[in-house]
Amino acid sequence: GDSVTQMEGPVTLSEEAFLTINCTYTATGYPSLFWYVQYPGEGLQLLLKATKADDKGSNKGFEATYRKETTSFHLEKGSVQVSDSAVYFCAGRSTGKLIFGQGTTLQVKP
Amino acid sequence: DAGVTQSPTHLIKTRGQQVTLRCSPKSGHDTVSWYQQALGQGPQFIFQYYEEEERQRGNFPDRFSGHQFPNYSSELNVNALLLGDSALYLCASSRVEGHTDTQYFGPGTRLTVL
Repeated sequence: GDSVTQMEGPVTLSEEAFLTINCTYTATGYPSLFWYVQYPGEGLQLLLKATKADDKGSNKGFEATYRKETTSFHLEKGSVQVSDSAVYFCAGRSTGKLIFGQGTTLQVKP
Repeated sequence: DAGVTQSPTHLIKTRGQQVTLRCSPKSGHDTVSWYQQALGQGPQFIFQYYEEEERQRGNFPDRFSGHQFPNYSSELNVNALLLGDSALYLCASSRVEGHTDTQYFGPGTRLTVL
């Protein structure tokens, strides 16, 4: 069945550092791909998405490119802030339901 | 424009009891999906409702059931609660746009089973 694998955390960075969170997917077709962010005690917020190969999703300085050849959708940000500290989930959707990775905790220190 | 809302925020039940969680979708959305998120894990799909019918179901027992109303709001019912049902229950709403639909999540209901 479909699956999504994320790099394990926690990831600890200093403010203004470069961020990469790896995500790969396994699916029979070409799913739409998403990154969601979850702040402590809250639900999931959509961060960005891409619906087909080579699409680039971007929002709030975060970017991710849908790479069909490597089945990847890595999340990047050039300069993280303390306010980016949260749990990040990669997800794929090919048959209506979302399949989530296990989540990666990001902690940004001042 | 109100987003997805869920009630209650928190709930404490004992084993064997039954619980009902509620969700109101984002304005203009007609599809509701429910997810269970155990502590430290990613959300797991329970089921999805569209036009008042269960359209898709994940790997959850029949103790988990749902309903969608004509106004698109939805309920999740769990019978015979087990300790392992303790989790954050998330509702997501969407509307099919072409060949894609993006799911928007509510804040969740935290269920604790004692």
